[in-house]
Amino acid sequence: DIQLTQSPSFLSASVGDRITIACRASQGISRYLAWYQQKPGKAPKLLIYGASTLQSGVPSRFSGSGSGTEFTLTISGLQPEDFATYYCLQLNSYPLTFGGGTTVEIK
Amino acid sequence: EVQLLESGGGSVQPGESLRLSCAASEFILSNYGMNWVRQAPDKGLEWVAGVRRSGDFTYYADSVEGRFTISRDYSKNTLFLQMDSLRAEDTAIYYCATYYYDNSGGRAFDNWGQGTLVTVSS
Repeated sequence: DIQLTQSPSFLSASVGDRITIACRASQGISRYLAWYQQKPGKAPKLLIYGASTLQSGVPSRFSGSGSGTEFTLTISGLQPEDFATYYCLQLNSYPLTFGGGTTVEIK
Repeated sequence: EVQLLESGGGSVQPGESLRLSCAASEFILSNYGMNWVRQAPDKGLEWVAGVRRSGDFTYYADSVEGRFTISRDYSKNTLFLQMDSLRAEDTAIYYCATYYYDNSGGRAFDNWGQGTLVTVSS
């Protein structure tokens, strides 16, 4: 099974900051990686798929990069509504797996 | 707008069964691969099961293999998750999600329901 390791697990940041979340796969997954945002009591929301393709309607301050085993999600200019938990998901092979999550909180 | 509505959650004792439903509106569910994802209280997301758009292949997480069955009823435009031999560790919110893919290699769970809570406790 492919393991996804996200780092950091917790991040404290201020409005306007640029932040980066990493997701490392235990083996190569090409670019079959998606990023999700989840707020308390809500379903996850798709942000990025194909490692770097922005989902329709998602603000351009969100961006993704990487391939193989190393991936990053960057938020450029953190907004109040961006404080949430973020997950990566690999769709290269079954069983599909999520990263452990990164919680972004207000400093 | 694609809408998914889960139902069937509730409280059961260990060893009992439950069947979750995911009703689709504004789209034909059989045109999509479908998946179930769960989230235990204050924990992360865990993929549970998936079925291909063609319906010919199903996939399961090791933690539920042999106990859970994913299926769909084309006439009712509904996805199901039959959960047998439930354990305390199956306690979670269960979400259904559509599986998106394109010719450029893009893959993702793009539409999600609001979730239904399953509690397994004696």
